[in-house]
Amino acid sequence: DAKTTQPNSMESNEEEPVHLPCNHSTISGTDYIHWYRQLPSQGPEYVIHGLTSNVNNRMASLAIAEDRKSSTLILHRATLRDAAVYYCINYGGSQGNLIFGKGTKLSVKP
Amino acid sequence: DTEVTQTPKHLVMGMTNKKSLKCEQHMGHRAMYWYKQKAKKPPELMFVYSYEKLSINESVPSRFSPECPNSSLLNLHLHALQPEDSALYLCASSQTGVPLYEQYFGPGTRLTVT
Repeated sequence: DAKTTQPNSMESNEEEPVHLPCNHSTISGTDYIHWYRQLPSQGPEYVIHGLTSNVNNRMASLAIAEDRKSSTLILHRATLRDAAVYYCINYGGSQGNLIFGKGTKLSVKP
Repeated sequence: DTEVTQTPKHLVMGMTNKKSLKCEQHMGHRAMYWYKQKAKKPPELMFVYSYEKLSINESVPSRFSPECPNSSLLNLHLHALQPEDSALYLCASSQTGVPLYEQYFGPGTRLTVT
């Protein structure tokens, strides 16, 4: 079973920041936090991942709580193309493979 | 090039047919994966190959037979499938099979079993 909890859905306005939360209270010390997204009719797409420190890349930022029991994916300026299902996954020693949960369906309004 | 290609895009097959799905990557990745995704559900892991050897089989029925002929190519052979096997079959690859590395997914093959 997936070990993360995410809201089923969220809405955002175009060009505004989006904060997608994820709870992973049972994460182990060796688990990475991976985020993927899946646009309609496409395969999942890697977004970002981290272990302990906050991470930034060209797509998004990942803020990891100090106790690592939660994280937030930040899209700095949402576009219509960001409408997708976003999956937060604990991937590591306690769970050796990507186990996808239900994810958060993000809708972006023009 | 961060592309994983899958062929065919769509496949319709009868329950007595034999068919194969193909996946290819040229990123030098040494781990490759097959996932199955039913409509409106998240992807589910089926098989993992690491350095061309099968390392994980998630209790998948034997009517699905994976093959990794070389480090760039992954096949999924299908035989005597059931209608409930209709789904999107996704291939992915990563540098190695450890969580430090991200996985790159192909667009999938949409399979319909009649």
